[in-house]
Amino acid sequence: KQEVTQIPAALSVPEGENLVLNCSFTDSAIYNLQWFRQDPGKGLTSLLLIQSSQREQTSGRLNASLDKSSGRSTLYIAASQPGDSATYLCAVGGSQGNLIFGKGTKLSVKP
Amino acid sequence: EAQVTQNPRYLITVTGKKLTVTCSQNMNHEYMSWYRQDPGLGLRQIYYSMNVEVTDKGDVPEGYKVSRKEKRNFPLILESPSPNQTSLYFCASSLGTLEWFFGPGTRLTVL
Repeated sequence: KQEVTQIPAALSVPEGENLVLNCSFTDSAIYNLQWFRQDPGKGLTSLLLIQSSQREQTSGRLNASLDKSSGRSTLYIAASQPGDSATYLCAVGGSQGNLIFGKGTKLSVKP
Repeated sequence: EAQVTQNPRYLITVTGKKLTVTCSQNMNHEYMSWYRQDPGLGLRQIYYSMNVEVTDKGDVPEGYKVSRKEKRNFPLILESPSPNQTSLYFCASSLGTLEWFFGPGTRLTVL
């Protein structure tokens, strides 16, 4: 059974720092991996989708990488801002069209 | 605007009173899914559907029913709600191996 782990569970950084969020999964037979952002009490906003054949995707200050063979993905956030404060969720997509989520990393960026 | 809608957004009910949470998407997606989110447990899949009349259980299907009679709609039915079903519920849709889009969530309280 696929399991997704995100480390660290929480992270607090000063504004302007570059940071890395980690996601690992136990079964490398994935179709894709998607990173989401969730603000408190709100829905999920898709940040980046990486297909299994891809190594990375970039959107603005965000860069996500995927190493399927080692079961790892990282989300890199450059020049962090207080508005980046949220919970970041990693989810792996399987062949049945289902998504398995990690428990998230709660990020706090201090001004 | 491409979106996933859920209704109601907030619901307080009592044990045993049947309820339905509706989910609709306007993107002609084949895949739809329901999740519940609980503190410390993260997002867990309840049921998913790969197309009309095709549904399957996720990780926590007990106490829930779904139906997929039309491509755009995927209602979640609680025949006899219990307090342990108090949670934040999300509906999502996708073309399958592509990006998943999430609804705004339904906060359910069962007394």
